[in-house]
Amino acid sequence: EVQLVESGGGLVKPGGSLRLSCAASGFTFSSYSMNWVRQAPGKGLEWVSSISSSSSYIYYADSVKGRFTISRDNAKNSLYLQMNSLRAEDTAVYYCARGPAHWFDPWGQGTLVTVSS
Amino acid sequence: QSALTQPASVSGSPGQSITISCTGTSSDVGGYNYVSWYQQHPGKAPKLMIYDVSNRPSGVSNRFSGSKSGNTASLTISGLQAEDEADYYCSSYTSSSTYVVFGGGTKLTVL
Repeated sequence: EVQLVESGGGLVKPGGSLRLSCAASGFTFSSYSMNWVRQAPGKGLEWVSSISSSSSYIYYADSVKGRFTISRDNAKNSLYLQMNSLRAEDTAVYYCARGPAHWFDPWGQGTLVTVSS
Repeated sequence: QSALTQPASVSGSPGQSITISCTGTSSDVGGYNYVSWYQQHPGKAPKLMIYDVSNRPSGVSNRFSGSKSGNTASLTISGLQAEDEADYYCSSYTSSSTYVVFGGGTKLTVL
């Protein structure tokens, strides 16, 4: 069974940092692009970042460019999102998702990041 | 404001068909066959229902279908069932710096 499990969310003060992880299983992780998508409380979906299978291509939403860094470790079947200079508007459930960005499947269960003083 | 425009809500009775529209521009929906649709039940992760405009992933009911005309994509659900009540989001690749854009979401109510 294909499975994605996020971790690392929590409460952080504005300006702080957090590192999210996504553990993948049930498929050949190194063959797929991976993504982060977030959803603020009561709001819609917002694409955050994508990384190609070999990390050669990386893309960011304008809202996080320069503050967030996506990375992956194919040996550990893991995806990461380093989030720095966090703002209140970064508060959201963060999902990792497999796919080439023009589709996402499957999605993890999400991890909640709350930025508040 | 979302890059793709969806109606905030649609409704239908069991057994009926409904269509949700997703309007973009020639830089996204109209320019590429890279539109996907997601279903999200409350408190759950989104689920891929349609990819590349009209393709259904394995396991998705054939009651769900997708199409595109110009800058507008559509998701049609036929034979509405109570379990279809959820939020639906469209997404598209875009040639802009944004790379991927989502619609604002449509709440489907099964009456």
